Amino acid sequence: GENVEQHPSTLSVQEGDSAVIKCTYSDSASNYFPWYKQELGKGPQLIIDIRSNVGEKKDQRIAVTLNKTAKHFSLHITETQPEDSAVYFCAASLAQGGSEKLVFGKGTKLTVNP
Amino acid sequence: DSGVTQTPKHLITATGQRVTLRCSPRSGDLSVYWYQQSLDQGLQFLIQYYNGEERAKGNILERFSAQQFPDLHSELNLSSLELGDSALYFCASSVDGWANYGYTFGSGTRLTVV
Repeated sequence: GENVEQHPSTLSVQEGDSAVIKCTYSDSASNYFPWYKQELGKGPQLIIDIRSNVGEKKDQRIAVTLNKTAKHFSLHITETQPEDSAVYFCAASLAQGGSEKLVFGKGTKLTVNP
Repeated sequence: DSGVTQTPKHLITATGQRVTLRCSPRSGDLSVYWYQQSLDQGLQFLIQYYNGEERAKGNILERFSAQQFPDLHSELNLSSLELGDSALYFCASSVDGWANYGYTFGSGTRLTVV
């Protein structure tokens, strides 16, 4: 089955700096890669996603890149702000028995220091 | 508000007991997914239902069961509870049984077994 590795597990940056979180996946059939942000006491919220036919996608200060050959994808946050502090999860799709599920990495706790 | 409703928000119970967690999916979504989130294990997939039928199973213990009702709400039943079952339990929903539009997560039920 699919295995998703996520690094680093914790990341501390100064406000205004960039943050990069990296994930690798094992199933070459995976074709959908979302990123979720989880704030304290809340459920994960989808912030950006990318499909396998695209190499990069950007939404304001957030961008995601995908390298299908190497089976890795990354989240880039520029000009970080204290409100970006949260746990971020990457995920990869896994087709299974006529449906599809998401397999998640273990998360990265991002702290943005003012 | 994500549109996915989970009740109760908190649950404290004793070992050996049985509890039921409830989830109402976002309006229009036919598929429900249950995930367990513990400190060191990230988001672990338990089970998926689509339009009332079980579609996929993950690492769900035999002491756990779930179902999706005709009105599409879902219940996760946890029995013979052990201390190690203490975790956050999330429900997510999607339009169909496929992940490629992402999931919408509820805010979770925090289960504490004492």
